[in-house]
Amino acid sequence: AQKITQTQPGMFVQEKEAVTLDCTYDTSDQSYGLFWYKQPSSGEMIFLIYQGSYDEQNATEGRYSLNFQKARKSANLVISASQLGDSAMYFCAMRGGWRGGATNKLIFGTGTLLAVQP
Amino acid sequence: GAVVSQHPSWVICKSGTSVKIECRSLDFQATTMFWYRQFPKQSLMLMATSNEGSKATYEQGVEKDKFLINHASLTLSTLTVTSAHPEDSSFYICSARSGLAGGQVTQYFGPGTRLTVL
Repeated sequence: AQKITQTQPGMFVQEKEAVTLDCTYDTSDQSYGLFWYKQPSSGEMIFLIYQGSYDEQNATEGRYSLNFQKARKSANLVISASQLGDSAMYFCAMRGGWRGGATNKLIFGTGTLLAVQP
Repeated sequence: GAVVSQHPSWVICKSGTSVKIECRSLDFQATTMFWYRQFPKQSLMLMATSNEGSKATYEQGVEKDKFLINHASLTLSTLTVTSAHPEDSSFYICSARSGLAGGQVTQYFGPGTRLTVL
């Protein structure tokens, strides 16, 4: 079975500083994808960044980077130069590899609430 | 990026009535749509997966007779909460993706529908 664990229910960070949100996962699949989504108070889920299990380099998207440590099964999100607008709930998610006939599901961790302080 | 819309964005209904929520992919054909449920301050829980033209696959513990899902076209899926009760009050989010599973197939989320059953 697949599982995503986010151990930080909440985090504070000062504006302009960097913050790391933790995510560990468990899967028996050889091929899988890891995602981070942002959910502001409005409720919409905003895709931030993706890391494939076979990607050798850590994914980066602007101020977001994913610290992928495959052996440790961790996929931490790093947000650099935090902004007030980054205050939101952040979810780590995983989708397993293709199995013939199966529809791959995106499963989510419990989320980390990030509060950026001025 | 791709856009997924949901209608209505919020709905209040009386206990015992049925409520239909629509999910549309606006600029791509969604071969697979997902319905999630999110209770306050909790993660997204997958309810069901639907492929266009076929019956939905429900997650364990989700009553298929209560949560009717219809994926009649490549751009529209509907979730009907039948005989709604206060415990069905939640934030319902649909998600859509195109193509086959696996890899960096991005899953786009709708803005969510907040259902309150009185």
